[in-house]
Amino acid sequence: EIVLTQSPATLSLSPGERATLSCRTSQSVSNYLAWYQQRPGQAPRLLIYDASNTATGIPARFSGSGSGTDFTLTISSLEPEDFAVYYCQQRRNWPLTFGGGTKVEIK
Amino acid sequence: EVQLVESGGGLVEPGGSLRLSCAASGFTFSNYNMNWVRQAPGKGLEWVSSITDSSRSILYADSVKGRFTISRDNAGNSLYLQMNSLRADDTALYYCAKVRNSAWDFDYWGQGTLVTVSS
Repeated sequence: EIVLTQSPATLSLSPGERATLSCRTSQSVSNYLAWYQQRPGQAPRLLIYDASNTATGIPARFSGSGSGTDFTLTISSLEPEDFAVYYCQQRRNWPLTFGGGTKVEIK
Repeated sequence: EVQLVESGGGLVEPGGSLRLSCAASGFTFSNYNMNWVRQAPGKGLEWVSSITDSSRSILYADSVKGRFTISRDNAGNSLYLQMNSLRADDTALYYCAKVRNSAWDFDYWGQGTLVTVSS
């Protein structure tokens, strides 16, 4: 099983600041990595697929990068609605696995 | 508009059974692989099971293998999860999720149905 480790667990930032979230995988997943946002009381929403492709309807301030075992989700300038939990997920191997999440909270 | 609406959750005693349903609309259901993903209270996301468009291939997480059965009805645009021998650690919000094209990530999610296993 591929283990995904997200860091930090919590990121405390102010609106307008840049957020950088990390996801590391226990073995290479090539670029088969997705990022999701989950706001309180809501279902997850796909943000990024295949490491760097923005999903439909996602604002341009969200971007993803990386390949192999190290991946980054960047939010260029935090909006109030961006304070949420973010998960990465790999589809390189079965079972499909998710990271433990990074909570982006208001400082 | 894609919609996924789960139902069938509830309170069940350990060892009991439940059948979850997911009603799909707004897309050609028979063309897409489908999935169940769960989230225990206050915890992260856990993939549970996947089924291909034709039901030819089915996969399960080790934690549910032998106890849960995924199925689908393409004529009725519905996905199911039969859950037997339920345990306390199966307590979670169960999401139905559609794959993005033929890739095994998830572009649409339902709002979830809560399963609570407790005596």
